[in-house]
Amino acid sequence: QVQLQESGPGLVRPSETLSLNCTVSGYSITSGFYWGWIRQSPAKGLEWIASIALNGNSLYNPSLKNRVTLSEDTSKNQFSLTLRSATAADTAVYYCVRQVPGTLNFDPWGHGMLVTVSS
Amino acid sequence: EIVMTQSPGTLSVSPGERATLSCRASQSVNSNLAWYQHKSGHAPRLLIYGSSIRAAGIPRRFSGSGSGTEFTLTISSLQSEDFAVYYCQQYEDRLPFTFGGGTKVEIK
Repeated sequence: QVQLQESGPGLVRPSETLSLNCTVSGYSITSGFYWGWIRQSPAKGLEWIASIALNGNSLYNPSLKNRVTLSEDTSKNQFSLTLRSATAADTAVYYCVRQVPGTLNFDPWGHGMLVTVSS
Repeated sequence: EIVMTQSPGTLSVSPGERATLSCRASQSVNSNLAWYQHKSGHAPRLLIYGSSIRAAGIPRRFSGSGSGTEFTLTISSLQSEDFAVYYCQQYEDRLPFTFGGGTKVEIK
């Protein structure tokens, strides 16, 4: 059974960088699929951020593309999100997800992690 | 950006009754529509993709229909474990992938 688990700081200062990791168990991230991030806030609801495939193909939400970097660490079976110049508007629950290449839906999801941007 | 609108915002249903949830897209997404269930304290779960295809392990009481801009998720006989928030999501071939605002199904 594939499981995803988010980790990282729960508090980020404004203007700093938000960094999260997602550890995948039960499936190798090198075996295909996209691996991505979605966030949820009261103001914007569910918002897809970006997805990465290990063949080098990446998909980004145009509204966040300039601030987002995705990367992977195959030795740890992890992938990561970096969001630069964080503001209070980036406060949200962040989910890591597996995205199916053909149908592009998200399955499964991690449980989510609250990240607060505040001084 | 394709805007997804769900209705109603909250649906009050008695156990055993049918629930019908709607999702509308601001432009055609063909059949590139998924539904997710989210229970508090749990990870969201994929229910339906391709508008009408149940994901693995999803009970038959969940069914999806529609194409283009109008979609429906039907839960034929609500069980206690079905009370949750449901989201639709489009994945038509243009970015970004977008979600509806959700429908909360609560016990009447």
